[in-house]
Amino acid sequence: GAVVSQHPSWVICKSGTSVKIECRSLDFQATTMFWYRQFPKQSLMLMATSNEGSKATYEQGVEKDKFLINHASLTLSTLTVTSAHPEDSSFYICSARVSGRGGDTQYFGPGTRLTVL
Amino acid sequence: EDKVVQSPLSLVVHEGDTVTLNCSYEVTNFRSLLWYKQEKKAPTFLFMLTSSGIEKKSGRLSSILDKKELFSILNITATQTGDSAIYLCAVAGGTSYGKLTFGQGTILTVHP
Repeated sequence: GAVVSQHPSWVICKSGTSVKIECRSLDFQATTMFWYRQFPKQSLMLMATSNEGSKATYEQGVEKDKFLINHASLTLSTLTVTSAHPEDSSFYICSARVSGRGGDTQYFGPGTRLTVL
Repeated sequence: EDKVVQSPLSLVVHEGDTVTLNCSYEVTNFRSLLWYKQEKKAPTFLFMLTSSGIEKKSGRLSSILDKKELFSILNITATQTGDSAIYLCAVAGGTSYGKLTFGQGTILTVHP
């Protein structure tokens, strides 16, 4: 399957700082990437859809000024958590959409665990 | 609003048992249903189903979709401790962006 990487895999930061997470498709081009958030023992919650060359589409209740998304190229999308607070601590996962004859599949990155002190 | 419901939410079995995980959905403009396995990190892709009645199989795992009754099942036979994970069902529908709606997941624990 397609390979998606994320960097960093974990990060600890102080409250009030900003953190950038990168999501890359390694062996294919992805016009659409997705950013999810996951709390312990819960399912994935879609935060936003990132489209190359255009503004991201945010889900209801997700603050776009707090979670900045940039999809600058066909292989890279970034999520910046601005002015992070302890309640932003979570597991952030990106995925890239792959279109095939049978339909669309999403392949996930390994995730980034963010801890805000 | 699109909805995906999985059951049971958790399941504890012993090695060698067979399990069936359920996923029902209400989605506008259904395109496909996907099953993922999540261990400690991000989900790994298992199956994508688009047509009713055609079983997909990979080793001890198999899955089938019923588009009339709007559900899918994931079967795991002869379970092993390595099958312990969260199994996620997701449905693609609606917009052309391929957005997925996820179920709550089923936490499977396989004891030796």
